[in-house]
Amino acid sequence: EPEVTQTPSHQVTQMGQEVILRCVPISNHLYFYWYRQILGQKVEFLVSFYNNEISEKSEIFDDQFSVERPDGSNFTLKIRSTKLEDSAMYFCASSEGIPGQALSGANVLTFGAGSRLTVL
Amino acid sequence: RKEVEQDPGPFNVPEGATVAFNCTYSNSASQSFFWYRQDCRKEPKLLMSVYSSGNEDGRFTAQLNRASQYISLLIRDSKLSDSATYLCVVNMRSGGSNYKLTFGKGTLLTVNP
Repeated sequence: EPEVTQTPSHQVTQMGQEVILRCVPISNHLYFYWYRQILGQKVEFLVSFYNNEISEKSEIFDDQFSVERPDGSNFTLKIRSTKLEDSAMYFCASSEGIPGQALSGANVLTFGAGSRLTVL
Repeated sequence: RKEVEQDPGPFNVPEGATVAFNCTYSNSASQSFFWYRQDCRKEPKLLMSVYSSGNEDGRFTAQLNRASQYISLLIRDSKLSDSATYLCVVNMRSGGSNYKLTFGKGTLLTVNP
């Protein structure tokens, strides 16, 4: 079964450092997402990306964050000047179709296993 | 009203029990609905999509009531392996033609031997 892969699985960084989290979405998927989950809290939407640009972002996704699809396979999340409160599990997801379209298997999001970020 | 609100739980049930989870959502323009399960420190995994007429997949039955903005998940004959957090997920319009998945906080289920 195709899967979304994420690296690293766990990253520990010092406050103020920059981190890059990497994702390889499923190859025929066109829509890419980042979500985060602070320990004990709900999964929160950060950003969606389609056709090499951001299509939607949440209020969490401020100037500290950026996303990029540097080549045909990778999708990255960069967090500049990390803060303690950035510590969370970051999930990448991808879908074949637009989630807002009529219900079909193409519009379901598949999540990667996550990258756990710990900011000290 | 929270965007997606679920039973707070936790639920502790014996093997073989039937358990039901409830979820309400605030945005009446929401288009699609899902139940995901999340094991401890793992990624959310799709359990089932929820169709307007209700749908069943083995021991799992999902219901949608658009008028009441309410979704449910019923698990029959609970197994130990059903122990997980169950996430109600709603695809909400966030502006223009954009949609985003909005997650509930989840309901923890523990099935005991």
